[in-house]
Amino acid sequence: AQKVTQAQTEISVVEKEDVTLDCVYETRDTTYYLFWYKQPPSGELVFLIRRNSFDEQNEISGRYSWNFQKSTSSFNFTITASQVVDSAVYFCALSEALGTYKYIFGTGTRLKVLA
Amino acid sequence: DTAVSQTPKYLVTQMGNDKSIKCEQNLGHDTMYWYKQDSKKFLKIMFSYNNKELIINETVPNRFSPKSPDKAHLNLHINSLELGDSAVYFCASSQGPPERYGYTFGSGTRLTVV
Repeated sequence: AQKVTQAQTEISVVEKEDVTLDCVYETRDTTYYLFWYKQPPSGELVFLIRRNSFDEQNEISGRYSWNFQKSTSSFNFTITASQVVDSAVYFCALSEALGTYKYIFGTGTRLKVLA
Repeated sequence: DTAVSQTPKYLVTQMGNDKSIKCEQNLGHDTMYWYKQDSKKFLKIMFSYNNKELIINETVPNRFSPKSPDKAHLNLHINSLELGDSAVYFCASSQGPPERYGYTFGSGTRLTVV
């Protein structure tokens, strides 16, 4: 069965600190897709990144970076030099193969960045 | 121009009432979805329509009925509302399989049943 675990329920950091949000997944498939979404206080869900199981390259986008490690079934998200605007709930999600048309979401990590 | 728009944004209603939430997308996507986010922020898919055809129907009480008059619209009708239906309901769309293309979500409808 597929499962996504975000063990950190809530994290608080002071502005400019680096922070890593953990995501551990379970799947029996060799082909799968991983995602991160951001839900700011306004409530909408914003797509951040997609990664397929054959691409273990880490990715950096500005202050955001993602570390995908199949050996530990993890897809962690790091924000460098955090800002107050980064305060949000962050969701990791998993989808098995093409054609399932649905994700399994983790329970989210609430990040509070304090000024 | 909002890509996926839901109305209403907030809905407060009494137990036993029937209510509808509307969703429209102007992205030309073929597939639309309803997700439910409970009070603990857990997100779970409810339904999906591809070109007006139901392709996902998760274990949802049959008081919930989706309706897709065309591929740009997916409405959610809920009969005999219960306290446990209180949640945020998100509509989403995708160009194709969301595994490849991702979802575009609406801003959510917060339903409160009193």
